[in-house]
Amino acid sequence: SQTIHQWPATLVQPVGSPLSLECTVEGTSNPNLYWYRQAAGRGLQLLFYSVGIGQISSEVPQNLSASRPQDRQFILSSKKLLLSDSGFYLCAWKDANYYEQYFGPGTRLTVT
Amino acid sequence: KNQVEQSPQSLIILEGKNCTLQCNYTVSPFSNLRWYKQDTGRGPVSLTIMTFSENTKSNGRYTATLDADTKQSSLHITASQLSDSASYICVVPMFSGGYNKLIFGAGTRLAVHP
Repeated sequence: SQTIHQWPATLVQPVGSPLSLECTVEGTSNPNLYWYRQAAGRGLQLLFYSVGIGQISSEVPQNLSASRPQDRQFILSSKKLLLSDSGFYLCAWKDANYYEQYFGPGTRLTVT
Repeated sequence: KNQVEQSPQSLIILEGKNCTLQCNYTVSPFSNLRWYKQDTGRGPVSLTIMTFSENTKSNGRYTATLDADTKQSSLHITASQLSDSASYICVVPMFSGGYNKLIFGAGTRLAVHP
């Protein structure tokens, strides 16, 4: 069966520090991968998606970036965090041939 | 503008009672609508996916309805349990830029009290 992992689960970082969040998927190959951010009381906002290794599409201009160095690994990064980067970050995967997206457990990021 | 709006924003019910959550969408063209359950601090988990031709779909105590003409969906929870306390999110995909981008509602936060 397929599983999706995210780490860390929680993170507190000062403004201006770098960020690296990791997401890995097991039990499937060539998944579509997604990074979302969820602010309190708001719907999930798509940040990046990837349909293959090295293929990244950005939905929202910001100081975040994403990379997919391996088929089942998706990384969200920032060189300098802003206060507004605080939120709940969710990674998701999807089989290209089906509707369903499956979400990871999320990372709670607090920028202080 | 392609949007998904949910009501109420929050809801409190007593254990054992029923409730209905609403979702209105303006996404077009329409292909399917999904309901997710999100426990606090966790990722959303799919409850049901409804396609254009489906009017009603059940998953245990959860029953979703869809009216594609009025662009409305509802999620009915029967005989609520404490474990039903969560946010319920309505999601509609929109085809954009060569792929289906999910449009998320802000969710309804349900609290079931004993």
